[in-house]
Amino acid sequence: GQQVMQIPQYQHVQEGEDFTTYCNSSTTLSNIQWYKQRPGGHPVFLIQLVKSGEVKKQKRLTFQFGEAKKNSSLHITATQTTDVGTYFCAGLPSGGTYKYIFGTGTRLKVLA
Amino acid sequence: EAGVAQSPRYKIIEKRQSVAFWCNPISGHATLYWYQQILGQGPKLLIQFQNNGVVDDSQLPKDRFSAERLKGVDSTLKIQPAKLEDSAVYLCASSLGRGIGNTIYFGEGSWLTVV
Repeated sequence: GQQVMQIPQYQHVQEGEDFTTYCNSSTTLSNIQWYKQRPGGHPVFLIQLVKSGEVKKQKRLTFQFGEAKKNSSLHITATQTTDVGTYFCAGLPSGGTYKYIFGTGTRLKVLA
Repeated sequence: EAGVAQSPRYKIIEKRQSVAFWCNPISGHATLYWYQQILGQGPKLLIQFQNNGVVDDSQLPKDRFSAERLKGVDSTLKIQPAKLEDSAVYLCASSLGRGIGNTIYFGEGSWLTVV
């Protein structure tokens, strides 16, 4: 079946260090969304990428969609303690399906 | 704008008992989702409604799980009988429509513990 994997599964960084999580799909995607889930909370939408090679920025967060539309990345520059949480990508497979497949998630811990 | 409302927030039941969760999506949202999130994993789609019709229930364990969205607004998810492996957070979510461009808004979740 269609799968979306994320690496790494866990990441501990010192405050101020950079962080990157990678999302890889087994199939081509129409688009990809990123969500953040704080500990004990629910997933909250961050951004959507649609075009091949697209790059979007939100303050210290940079999102990229691969040229082949099968992978994506989220990079956080100079992490802060408020960045703590699990980051999920959710891909919409090409071909008419309307079902987003969530990735396995990357749990980020930021040490002050 | 009010968010997705869910109840109850927490439930502890014994195995083989039944439980029901309720969801009220954001007003005007045609698409409603129920996800199961086991601790440490990503949300897994159980069922997706478009208005009051089911568009995907391929991962719903139909021998014990059922869901309905009467009148295309509120929805209930029922588990009967519950198993230990059903312990998870059940997230209801909604979006304006399906597909590209539609943001999925999640509720706070209903935390289920089966003992």
